[in-house]
Amino acid sequence: DVKVTQSSRYLVKRTGEKVFLECVQDMDHENMFWYRQDPGLGLRLIYFSYDVKMKEKGDIPEGYSVSREKKERFSLILESASTNQTSMYLCASSFLAGLSRGNEQFFGPGTRLTVL
Amino acid sequence: QKEVEQDPGPLSVPEGAIVSLNCTYSNSAFQYFMWYRQYSRKGPELLMYTYSSGNKEDGRFTAQVDKSSKYISLFIRDSQPSDSATYLCAMSNSGGSNYKLTFGKGTLLTVNP
Repeated sequence: DVKVTQSSRYLVKRTGEKVFLECVQDMDHENMFWYRQDPGLGLRLIYFSYDVKMKEKGDIPEGYSVSREKKERFSLILESASTNQTSMYLCASSFLAGLSRGNEQFFGPGTRLTVL
Repeated sequence: QKEVEQDPGPLSVPEGAIVSLNCTYSNSAFQYFMWYRQYSRKGPELLMYTYSSGNKEDGRFTAQVDKSSKYISLFIRDSQPSDSATYLCAMSNSGGSNYKLTFGKGTLLTVNP
């Protein structure tokens, strides 16, 4: 079974703190993603990575950065946390889709971040 | 017009009912279609994955894609209280940009014992 794990289930931080969220997948997936999920807004893509050290901005990258130093690990960084970054953060991974492989994404359990 | 529209519900049904969940979309380039189930405070879990048009069945779940109408459905037969969750549809292009999924906002389903 595909397994995507996230470093914390719940996190409480103060405004201005630097926050690290980590994600690890064990399926040798090329692609990894970070989303945030908010009531009424659905899932929104923050960043994704298709290879080690490669990253691309998603729909809402402002206030976030990412790091992918190893294939299995993808980190989301909030340089200076703000209250409007209180949200559920979801990591996902997928294969680089081809003829014999689909592009479905597999999600981690999520990190509920509260910024006070 | 939003790329993917999904009725947020909530939808409440008695145990044993047949449930129909739907999404419409506007982008005719979408070729891959997925349904995810998300329990409260958990990450989405992939339920069904289909390519192009047609039906796919897995146990009590059936996914249908009608590309001519830009309409996808998920049917749940003999619904159980454990099916109570939010159901998200997702879809993507084929080709180079197929990494990106476009999600519906989800339908909240409650199955009452």
